[in-house]
Formats: sequence, C-alpha cells, structure tokens
Amino acid sequence: AQKITQTQPGMFVQEKEAVTLDCTYDTSDPSYGLFWYKQPSSGEMIFLIYQGSYDQQNATEGRYSLNFQKARKSANLVISASQLGDSAMYFCAMRLTNAGNNRKLIWGLGTSLAVNP
Amino acid sequence: DAGVTQSPTHLIKTRGQQVTLRCSPKSGHDTVSWYQQALGQGPQFIFQYYEEEERQRGNFPDRFSGHQFPNYSSELNVNALLLGDSALYLCASSFRAFNTEAFFGQGTRLTVV
Repeated sequence: AQKITQTQPGMFVQEKEAVTLDCTYDTSDPSYGLFWYKQPSSGEMIFLIYQGSYDQQNATEGRYSLNFQKARKSANLVISASQLGDSAMYFCAMRLTNAGNNRKLIWGLGTSLAVNP
Repeated sequence: DAGVTQSPTHLIKTRGQQVTLRCSPKSGHDTVSWYQQALGQGPQFIFQYYEEEERQRGNFPDRFSGHQFPNYSSELNVNALLLGDSALYLCASSFRAFNTEAFFGQGTRLTVV
C-alpha cells in the first residue's frame, strides 16, 4: 500500500542553522511525485518543493532542497539558514501518476519545526 | 491575484445537522480537491472535481458529497454530522488535475458538538 512516513514528530533548530526533515515513502509504482508543504498555525498549506520519480537531479527552491534517495525511498527536506518564520508543521506528500489513482495526494503525519532565536 | 478562498473560516454544528463549505479556486484554475485534516493528522483526500464532475473519491462515506459550478467554484456538503467529522477542511485548486503543484486555501475549521 502507498504510504508516507515522517518519523520526527517535532524538531528544534537554531536560527541560521540548517535542518533536515525526514520522509520515507512506500509505493511499488515506478512513476510518482513527492511534495513538501508547510502549514503555519493559520492552517493554509504552502507548497515548498516537488520531486518527480524520474528527475535526475535533486530539486531545489531557494533555501529548500530535497535530498532524494530513490533506492532508499527517502525524500528528505533540507532547510538552510533557518529563520524564525520557518516555525510550522511540515508535511511530506506523494502523488502516484498511474491512471485512475493520480488525482490525490497521500500525506504523512507531519513534523513540527521550531526555530529558536 | 486572489488565491484559493474558503468560507466560512470557522463553523460550529450540532450532531445530525448538515453543513456546506465553499471554495473558490485560484484564478485560472479549473480543478478543485477537498481534504479533511483531523487534529494532529495529515490531510485525507475526500474527492476531486473537474469539469463539474467528481473524478476521484477517497475513503469517505456518501454523507460527504460535493458540487462544482461552471465558474469552477466548489461546495462540500456533509450530512448527518458526527463528532468525528470535526476537522480542518482544506480546498486545493490546480490547472488540470495533474499539475505538480496545488494551491490550498486557509481551510474551514468545523467543530461538531
């Protein structure tokens, strides 16, 4: 069954330091996409970064990068130079791209990140 | 450029009642998906609407129904509310169904008492 696992319920990081949030996924489909979203206390899901299963290079978006290790089925999010505004819940999600099952995102339980000044 | 807007932002209902939640997609988007996020959990896919039809449905009972209008806005209806329906309901929009990025609204927090 398709599943996303985030094993870190909570993480702390000092301002200006880098932090890695873990995500492992389980699927037997060869084609899929992996997403990271940020959810502040306001509730809105904010898209951060996307990695396709066939992408040759790891995705990067500003201070966010995705450490994609396909053989290990992991897609860890790296946030460089943490800022106080990065404090939020972070969710890893997966979309399968096979026909009939490609319209929904499958989500992990999230990791709560607190950035300390 | 307005993003995804949801209304209302908060709602309190009594068990057995019915509720309607509304979503206006981001300008230029034609696909709307609904998710339920219980406290401390990740979102769960309810269904997706495209071209005014339900295209895919998650593991939710028939008490959950929806609609998409010609202007692409959407409604989520929940009948015979249960305490367990208390959650944050998120609407996501995209252009076509399969784009890599979906934009989310701020959600509607439903409390059933």
